[in-house]
Parts: sequence; structure tokens; C-alpha cells
Amino acid sequence: DIQMTQSPSSLSASVGDRVTISCRASQDISDYLNWYQQKPGKAPILLISAVSNLQSGVPSRFSGSGSGTDFTLTINSLQPEEFATYYCQQSYSTPYSFGQGTKLEIK
Amino acid sequence: QVQLQESGPGRVKPSETLSLTCSVSGASMSSGFYWTWIRQRPGEGLEWIGNINYRGSTFQNASLKSRLSISIDMSKSQFSLKLTSLTAADTAVYYCARGNTILDPWGQGTLVTVSS
Repeated sequence: DIQMTQSPSSLSASVGDRVTISCRASQDISDYLNWYQQKPGKAPILLISAVSNLQSGVPSRFSGSGSGTDFTLTINSLQPEEFATYYCQQSYSTPYSFGQGTKLEIK
Repeated sequence: QVQLQESGPGRVKPSETLSLTCSVSGASMSSGFYWTWIRQRPGEGLEWIGNINYRGSTFQNASLKSRLSISIDMSKSQFSLKLTSLTAADTAVYYCARGNTILDPWGQGTLVTVSS
């Protein structure tokens, strides 16, 4: 199975900051990498598919990059509603595993 | 707008079988999509369980495969999960979602507690 490792596990930031979350796959997954946002008590929502394809309605402050084994989610000018937990997910091979999550907290 | 809604027992005893159903509205289940189950243990990350398409083809997490069954009922616009021989480690919020490699949207989730 492919292991997904996110760093950091938690991150404190302020409104307006630029933050970067990393995700590493245990093997080459090409561009089969998605990002989800989850708020407390809610289901995850899809933010980005295939490394960098922003879903409809997702602010352009969000962007994704990477290929192979190393990927990044960047949020520019962080807004209050974006303090949440973010998960990467590989969709290269089953089981389509997730990273352990990065909790983005208000500083 | 596609909506998914999980339903299930809430609490199940150890060694028993969990049955969950995901009801789909706003889309045809024969549209070619896969339909997926995911779970999240309390305070933990997301675990992909498995999925099924309208033809009944499934992919399952090998770690659960011996205990897991996923089925689909197109006439009711539902797909279901059965997990046998439950233990406390199966306590989790169970989500259903549309999609195979890309999961969107998700249901709100249902908490299942395994306890005597």
C-alpha cells in the first residue's frame, strides 16, 4: 500500500498569512493527488484534484503543485474560514490512502 | 445537486455485524460513477474502505476485505456496507461519497460506536 505523509501535522498561522502544507508519497504517484478540507464535525470537501485542479467554488487563494512523490498545498492570504484540517489523498492505486492530516490553527 | 446521506444503527455490539446504507439523491447511480465508503476513527485521519459501481464491481481495502461487503441497489438509489466481527477499533464516523479516485461530494457521516 502507498503511505502518505503530511507535514507539518499542525500549523499555527494568522489571518492574511501564506501557508504551505507538504504531502509525500511512499512511491511515485504521478499526478494522482487530491486535497480535502475538513472542519470540525463536518465531512471533508474536495478542494483540489490531480495536484492542481481547483474545484468549482474554491477560492483562487488555494493552489497545489508537485509531481511524483512530493506535493504542496499553498493557501495565500489565509481567511478565518480556512482554519481547518487538510488531507492529501493518493488516487494512484487502491487503497486510495490519505495523509494523516494537517491541522491549521489560528495563532 | 447530488446529495448523499448515511444511515445506520449508531451503536453495535462487539462481534456483531454493522450494516450501513448510503442514500443518493439528485443523480443517477448508473451515471458511471463509483460510490465509496470512508471512515474516520475518533480524533484520527481518514481511511478508505472501498467502493462499488453500478455494475456491482468493487474495490476493497485488503485490510478489511475478509470482513467487508459492499453492495448496490439501483432501484432504491442506495449502496450499502456490511462489516462483520466488529471490535472497538471499528468505532468511527463512516462516510459515503461519490467517486472512485476523486471523492465529491460526501455525506455528512454517521457515527458508529462498537460497545457492549
